[in-house]
Amino acid sequence: AQKITQTQPGMFVQEKEAVTLDCTYDTSDPSYGLFWYKQPSSGEMIFLIYQGSYDQQNATEGRYSLNFQKARKSANLVISASQLGDSAMYFCAMREGLGGSQGNLIFGKGTKLSVKP
Amino acid sequence: DTAVSQTPKYLVTQMGNDKSIKCEQNLGHDTMYWYKQDSKKFLKIMFSYNNKELIINETVPNRFSPKSPDKAHLNLHINSLELGDSAVYFCASSQDKLTGAGGYTFGSGTRLTVV
Repeated sequence: AQKITQTQPGMFVQEKEAVTLDCTYDTSDPSYGLFWYKQPSSGEMIFLIYQGSYDQQNATEGRYSLNFQKARKSANLVISASQLGDSAMYFCAMREGLGGSQGNLIFGKGTKLSVKP
Repeated sequence: DTAVSQTPKYLVTQMGNDKSIKCEQNLGHDTMYWYKQDSKKFLKIMFSYNNKELIINETVPNRFSPKSPDKAHLNLHINSLELGDSAVYFCASSQDKLTGAGGYTFGSGTRLTVV
């Protein structure tokens, strides 16, 4: 079974509108962290936002916010006021446990976001 | 600049050759990783390593071997390269505990093409 599921292979959004990228996860570990990364066409992996499993509030970083619904095991990324530069692949990832050498990231298959002018 | 740096950025080589990709981090992180991104953009862990333990993903062929001369470096050595090894390889590092934002950093990737 997949541990990270991103059900939207591709999405379009109009410039200046908000968009939600879906991510659901599966783990039995009570301690975990959820990440979102952006990968533009240039190829680098850019960290966007992080949510810990014990965090009480949803994470926010500028125009990015994470809609964390623990009971539903979902961690959707919300991008407000989309910009043309937001066009990229977006990956949701999970790290189980408290780190150490077993703290690998498990990635979803990604969502390709295209922002239309 | 503090970062995870990997070289080369591009590597084109013939089947059967042996090659290495270097990775260095100056973040003081305890653990380093190698990930492989295939042609469908799927990212998968290959190795994770700190100065105590190496964990190998069992799906990784033994032609791939990580080599760590010190805590700040984790190089990837590949023997007898095959066409299917063509991919983008990312190095990453993290602190030993789950510290959240910014605690997990990727290098810029190495695009390996085997011809």
